[in-house]
Amino acid sequence: DTEVTQTPKHLVMGMTNKKSLKCEQHMGHRAMYWYKQKAKKPPELMFVYSYEKLSINESVPSRFSPECPNSSLLNLHLHALQPEDSALYLCASSQRVAGGRETQYFGPGTRLLVL
Amino acid sequence: AQTVTQSQPEMSVQEAETVTLSCTYDTSESDYYLFWYKQPPSRQMILVIRQEAYKQQNATENRFSVNFQKAAKSFSLKISDSQLGDAAMYFCAYRTPSGGGADGLTFGKGTHLIIQP
Repeated sequence: DTEVTQTPKHLVMGMTNKKSLKCEQHMGHRAMYWYKQKAKKPPELMFVYSYEKLSINESVPSRFSPECPNSSLLNLHLHALQPEDSALYLCASSQRVAGGRETQYFGPGTRLLVL
Repeated sequence: AQTVTQSQPEMSVQEAETVTLSCTYDTSESDYYLFWYKQPPSRQMILVIRQEAYKQQNATENRFSVNFQKAAKSFSLKISDSQLGDAAMYFCAYRTPSGGGADGLTFGKGTHLIIQP
């Protein structure tokens, strides 16, 4: 089973709203990732959690706040977003293996529209 | 920094024919991993195939195979007996082995594959 689930599938929010994206996996993976993908572009890495600790934060604006409450769950809290933040937000997970042979498995994404 | 280049923005192939998607990359690392992901209109990113740089043998997965040329830093994907369900955006991706942290993937810009019935 290589399933990563994401909720909601679609989200429309105003610039003053606060919302959260949720990602879940039950494969025992210990690394989880958030990517942002604009239309007709490749995904861009935002955050990496390894063993529930934030290990990479790719200079993402503070209006995006990640959280990893446990090894199966990853959240992305959104606040005061801008219209240019509209994109597909992809979650991925991988098994942490010495030597880094893990493969990343992606969820279906949340399509976010900021009005 | 590593870069991944896909020089074909769009490719078209007749159903049942064979098509090859190209990918080149630039890195100073000797050990790394390469992937091909498929993203259909549903936007789900699906792993197609992966290759470890230390392996000389080219990876294969059913109708999908790669031609990995380490010295040339080339990693092309061959799709045999193309099917309508193969229509998608294909991304080539690179990553280094994770050390103390877990690194993300570096993606190419993608190749849009069209299957003609």
